[in-house]
Formats: sequence, structure tokens, C-alpha cells
Amino acid sequence: EMQLLESGGGLVQPGGSLRLSCAASGFTFSSYTLTWVRQAPGKGLEWVSGISGSGDRRFYADSVKGRFTISRDSSKNTVYLQMNILRGEDTAVYHCAKDGALGGYMDVWGQGTTVTVS
Amino acid sequence: EIVMTQSPATLSVSPGDRATLSCRASQSVSSKLAWYQQKPGQAPRLLIYGASTRATGVPARFSGSGSGTDFTLTISSLRSEDFAVYYCQQYDNWPMYTFGQGTKLEIK
Repeated sequence: EMQLLESGGGLVQPGGSLRLSCAASGFTFSSYTLTWVRQAPGKGLEWVSGISGSGDRRFYADSVKGRFTISRDSSKNTVYLQMNILRGEDTAVYHCAKDGALGGYMDVWGQGTTVTVS
Repeated sequence: EIVMTQSPATLSVSPGDRATLSCRASQSVSSKLAWYQQKPGQAPRLLIYGASTRATGVPARFSGSGSGTDFTLTISSLRSEDFAVYYCQQYDNWPMYTFGQGTKLEIK
């Protein structure tokens, strides 16, 4: 069974940092783009960042560019999101998700980890 | 950035009836459109990709249609477990995806 399990969320002060992890299992890790999507309390889904299967291409939403860094470690089947200079508007549940076989749509999602900036 | 607009924001439908949800893209996304269902406290669940292909395990009462800029998710004969929030997502601009703001499907 394909699974994604996020960790690393918590309460942090504005201007602080946090690193989220997403451990993958049940599929060939290096074959798929992985994405971070967040959801602020009571709001909709927002794409945050994506990284290609090989890790050589990384993309960011304008709202986090220059503050967040996505990376992946194939030896650990884990994708990371390093979040610096955190702001109140970064408060959200952060989900990682895997691209589907044909790319672009996300067929496996983790349950999410909560980040509170206050 | 491709902006996705869903309508209506809230849809009230009786169990057993049909629900029709709309999604419009600010520019053509071809058929690179997905639909997700999200229930409170849960992660989104993929329903439809490629505008009209049901994901594995999705019941046949869910169907998607459209291409270019206008898309529709239809749920025929609503069941209690279908009441949730539904999001569309474009993936034409890989991997800088954008989501619609969601349609809440509630029991009438």
C-alpha cells in the first residue's frame, strides 16, 4: 500500500524555522514528483512546493519563495520542507502528496502535520 | 498563474438527487484537471483525473466532463457519504498546480 506520513509540525514564533518531513512507502520513491500542499484553518487547498523525482527541479509558490526549501533523500524515501522566516499566514495543515502515474494529479496524500505560527 | 474558479460555493442537495459542480480555468488547461473530495479532518481524496477518468475505487456515480476552461463534476444519486467539500485542480502548468476555492456539498 502506498503511504505518506508527515511529521515535524508544531508551534513556532514568527520569524522562526521548522523542518517538515514526509516519509514515503509502497512505491518507487525516485519515480514521482512530490508536492507540499497546505490548508489554513477553514480555508481551501494551496500548492506550496514541488520537487521532481530526480530532485533536480524544485518549484515554489510566490508566497513562500525565498523562505521555504524543498528537498528529498532517496536513501530514506523522505521529502523535506525547510521553512524559515515563518509568518502567521503560514499557519496551516501541511500535506505531502505524490503525483499519479500520468503526472500532475495527486493520487496519494498524507494526513498532514499542523504548523502554528504564533 | 492559472486561476481556478468553482461554483457554487455551497450546494444544497437532497440524498438521492443529482449534484452538478462547476470549475472554470482562467486559461485553457486542456484535460489536465483533477477533482478531489475532502471530509472534515481528512486528507483530500482523488476522484477524477484527466477531466473524466475515475481514480481507482471511485464509485461510478462520480463522473467528470469538460476540457479547455470549463469542467463539471456530476454526482448522480447522492449518498450520505458524498456530502463533503470538493476541489478542482489544474496540472497543465506542472508542477505549479492551482486549486479552486472549493464547493461545499451539503444536505438539503
